[in-house]
Amino acid sequence: GNSVTQMEGPVTLSEEAFLTINCTYTATGYPSLFWYVQYPGEGLQLLLKATKADDKGSNKGFEATYRKETTSFHLEKGSVQVSDSAVYFCAPSNAGGTSYGKLTFGQGTILTVHP
Amino acid sequence: NAGVTQTPKFQVLKTGQSMTLQCAQDMNHEYMSWYRQDPGMGLRLIHYSVGAGITDQGEVPNGYNVSRSTTEDFPLRLLSAAPSQTSVYFCATALSGGRYEQYFGPGTRLTVT
Repeated sequence: GNSVTQMEGPVTLSEEAFLTINCTYTATGYPSLFWYVQYPGEGLQLLLKATKADDKGSNKGFEATYRKETTSFHLEKGSVQVSDSAVYFCAPSNAGGTSYGKLTFGQGTILTVHP
Repeated sequence: NAGVTQTPKFQVLKTGQSMTLQCAQDMNHEYMSWYRQDPGMGLRLIHYSVGAGITDQGEVPNGYNVSRSTTEDFPLRLLSAAPSQTSVYFCATALSGGRYEQYFGPGTRLTVT
């Protein structure tokens, strides 16, 4: 099955700092890749996705590129805001066989942004 | 359009009690799933369904039961609650399995004493 190694947190940054959260995965087949965000007290919501190699997903200033050769999907943002404080989850999904539709989550990275 | 709804929001059970966590969706999604979230462990898949009448086990199915008689509903039953089942439970749906993103409900926080 799939597995995910996600950058350990917590990560603490000042507003307007550059953010990178590393994510590498192992997967059978050709997964889609997702980043989800969880704000305090809420469920997860999709932040961005990529479905094939070299695709770049982007949303709300966040970006991540599907790197098949390094099996990575690192999340970046050029200038974080206090409102970006949340838990971020990397998740590959698979389309085939016994892994159909299953998301495999990393343990999550807690991001805190200070003014 | 409510999306994915879960009830109850909070629940406290005593060891050995049973209960059902409800999940409903109005997006006509084929795929529905249940996860539990524990500190430092991300989300782990309990059970999932690829359509009405079809369910399958995830990573951590023991102690839980599901059924899917309609497209809209996917209840999760705890047969005999144990303290190890104290967790936050999320229901998620997707248009279908595979490459589609999942939409999560707001969660149910369950405490078993």
